[in-house]
Amino acid sequence: AQSVTQLGSHVSVSEGALVLLRCNYSSSVPPYLFWYVQYPNQGLQLLLKYTTGATLVKGINGFEAEFKKSETSFHLTKPSAHMSDAAEYFCAVTRSYNTDKLIFGTGTRLQVFP
Amino acid sequence: ETGVTQSPTHLIKTRGQQVTLRCSSQSGHNTVSWYQQALGQGPQFIFQYYREEENGRGNFPPRFSGLQFPNYSSELNVNALELDDSALYLCASAGTENYEQYFGPGTRLTVT
Repeated sequence: AQSVTQLGSHVSVSEGALVLLRCNYSSSVPPYLFWYVQYPNQGLQLLLKYTTGATLVKGINGFEAEFKKSETSFHLTKPSAHMSDAAEYFCAVTRSYNTDKLIFGTGTRLQVFP
Repeated sequence: ETGVTQSPTHLIKTRGQQVTLRCSSQSGHNTVSWYQQALGQGPQFIFQYYREEENGRGNFPPRFSGLQFPNYSSELNVNALELDDSALYLCASAGTENYEQYFGPGTRLTVT
């Protein structure tokens, strides 16, 4: 069975500060990992994904994540937070890079203070 | 290229009633998945349709059912609504070019 744990339901940073959102996964097969962002009253937008190959993945809006198999982690980072980054972030795992169901974490709400 | 659309945006129903939610998939996509997102939670997989056939189901009771049409649009039907069915219902479509799932804006269902 697969699962995702997001540590910290709320994260607050100052504008310009480093953003670090944590995600740990459990999977009996090689995982495919995703980060989605959800703005208020909207659906989910894909930030980035890891399938195979390079373990450091770059996404949209300056975000990146590193797949660390030994730590079963896929933490999301951004060097400098912007006010527009305030949103809910979800980490998700699936068994294979096809249309298999996504298993989501419970989400981390990011607040950015001026 | 039109993205994934869902209707209605909001819906209020009474316990025991039935509801139908609709999803139009992105052009060229033949797979549709439905997710339920309760307040403060991550989305939970309900089921998936591929070329009009159910292609996987999550841990939801049979009163949650669906359809996919020849144009690959889809419906989610929920019978005998319960208060706990109040949630944001998300539809996601995917094609075969990269298998990435694209989400619609969701339908907010409130059951009173």
